[in-house]
Amino acid sequence: DTGVSQDPRHKITKRGQNVTFRCDPISEHNRLYWYRQTLGQGPEFLTYFQNEAQLEKSRLLSDRFSAERPKGSFSTLEIQRTEQGDSAMYLCASSLETGSSSYEQYFGPGTRLTVT
Amino acid sequence: GQQLNQSPQSMFIQEGEDVSMNCTSSSIFNTWLWYKQEPGEGPVLLIALYKAGELTSNGRLTAQFGITRKDSFLNISASIPSDVGIYFCAGGSGGGADGLTFGKGTHLIIQP
Repeated sequence: DTGVSQDPRHKITKRGQNVTFRCDPISEHNRLYWYRQTLGQGPEFLTYFQNEAQLEKSRLLSDRFSAERPKGSFSTLEIQRTEQGDSAMYLCASSLETGSSSYEQYFGPGTRLTVT
Repeated sequence: GQQLNQSPQSMFIQEGEDVSMNCTSSSIFNTWLWYKQEPGEGPVLLIALYKAGELTSNGRLTAQFGITRKDSFLNISASIPSDVGIYFCAGGSGGGADGLTFGKGTHLIIQP
């Protein structure tokens, strides 16, 4: 399977703990995106990488959130000092920069975070 | 910020019926995309539209990019049980370098 993969699929943590999620994009895709999705809502954009450079951050991405894509391949999203409001599905997507089809983002299965 | 209004919120239909859902925006988008999401999974891309007025089909699915670039619709013909899920519209701008803006979804439920 050469789609986007995410690990772990589920994470339960206590408030105040740090968590880290991993995303492996489709291998030839140079763009990588993180989204957050809460129940009954569509995904909301968090941040975007082109190769290893983080080029865009949403206002939703508080100082407790940090994302990296060290070699332009996989990416990690870390949440420090988790709060109950961080409970959500965290989705990763990737795309290939090729003109108009750059908009075609392919999503992974997501990581479901529950903060207790 | 930009918001997409997607309707209806949910649809209860009989197997074999045609389905129509739409999405409107207060802002212009360069691209409209339609995704389907099933429980516990990520959204799956169904159709991407790039030009105002464009009509595109993918099997039983047909979608159109509104002429004003502020709306799009998705039709599903002859629905089958595996069409059940949540359908999201998404708008793209900024050359693909920005995140997509999603609607809140249309929940499709099919009664056999």
